Amino acid sequence: AQKITQTQPGMFVQEKEAVTLDCTYDTSDPSYGLFWYKQPSSGEMIFLIYQGSYDQQNATEGRYSLNFQKARKSANLVISASQLGDSAMYFCAMRERSGGYNKLIFGAGTRLAVHP
Amino acid sequence: GAGVSQSPSNKVTEKGKDVELRCDPISGHTALYWYRQSLGQGLEFLIYFQGNSAPDKSGLPSDRFSAERTGGSVSTLTIQRTQQEDSAVYLCASTLPGLAGKTQYFGPGTRLLVL
Repeated sequence: AQKITQTQPGMFVQEKEAVTLDCTYDTSDPSYGLFWYKQPSSGEMIFLIYQGSYDQQNATEGRYSLNFQKARKSANLVISASQLGDSAMYFCAMRERSGGYNKLIFGAGTRLAVHP
Repeated sequence: GAGVSQSPSNKVTEKGKDVELRCDPISGHTALYWYRQSLGQGLEFLIYFQGNSAPDKSGLPSDRFSAERTGGSVSTLTIQRTQQEDSAVYLCASTLPGLAGKTQYFGPGTRLLVL
């Protein structure tokens, strides 16, 4: 069965510094996708970044980059130049391709606190 | 354009009552997903719709939970005879159909509290 593991329940970072949020996954499917979502205290899930299993390069979106290490089955999120508004829960998720659609399996999340 | 909308944003109900939660997906998104997020937890898949049909209901926790979708757009998640363990945030997401719709866009959720 597919599984997502986020081992950091909480992380702290100083404003303007970079932070890495860990995510490891387990799947036997050679084709899969990995996502990171941000959930601020207001509750909505905000899509941040996507990495396909066959993508040759690590995904980047502005201050977000995904450190994809396929052999290690890890997909860590790197946030550069942290801002106070980055304080939120962060979820790693994997697309489970069952029946030709994209059911997401989520990790337990990491709560990030950015300090001034 | 408008994102995914959900109503109500908050719902407080008494144990044993029925509740209906509504999701209005992004226009043109034929795939719709319901998830549940219990306090401090990640999201748990409930049900998937493609158009008006639900090929995957495997995540519905009991027969008290049901969902329907009409006109390929609005979906309603119904919980009958609510229990305290049903208290959670219920999130809806929509996407393009099939594997092309890899990114799911979420609504703001409905926070359900069963007293």
